[in-house]
Amino acid sequence: QQQVKQSPQSLIVQKGGIPIINCAYENTAFDYFPWYQQFPGKGPALLIAIRPDVSEKKEGRFTISFNKSAKQFSLHIMDSQPGDSATYFCAASRGGKLIFGQGTTLQVKP
Amino acid sequence: ETGVTQSPTHLIKTRGQQVTLRCSSQSGHNTVSWYQQALGQGPQFIFQYYREEENGRGNFPPRFSGLQFPNYSSELNVNALELDDSALYLCASTLGTATDTQYFGPGTRLTVL
Repeated sequence: QQQVKQSPQSLIVQKGGIPIINCAYENTAFDYFPWYQQFPGKGPALLIAIRPDVSEKKEGRFTISFNKSAKQFSLHIMDSQPGDSATYFCAASRGGKLIFGQGTTLQVKP
Repeated sequence: ETGVTQSPTHLIKTRGQQVTLRCSSQSGHNTVSWYQQALGQGPQFIFQYYREEENGRGNFPPRFSGLQFPNYSSELNVNALELDDSALYLCASTLGTATDTQYFGPGTRLTVL
């Protein structure tokens, strides 16, 4: 059973644009929602994470928006740069076991 | 860099063989989780070890087994390899089972022929 659904599968934006990646979850027991960035040949690196008692969190150019009633959350990347080109994964967790979305491949064109 | 290391980097095996993958967790972290990432997919949780005991398992058959040692390093063992076991195997470490922030290693790329 797929518990975290992520969209879109791929995304192309121009430098300076604001890509938005969306995720939806099913299990209301999840209490931690991180976003990971992965470059080819590397392991996932934690970008930013949020708890369900907060509706928005910003860290640098990365913002998570969280809608608990809709069971949805999204990642916004402000002023995107070519170096942000990577695969992004949302995840949901309870008790330290991460359930990942399918991933979004982002390309930022110069 | 997270301080989590994995070995080997790449591995090629044939169907039916057995494989052992290794992970050294970040200093001070006593909890290790293993994930399987098939090409083009998100990582899938295999199991977690806390203080040398298995603490939760995902939907993987018993031929996937693990160990955690007193220094908190860990091994993932896979018996009777199948073609579908070809994937990137990731380990992640954290401090305690109630801590959600996990730090991933670079992974081991396993190819089963």
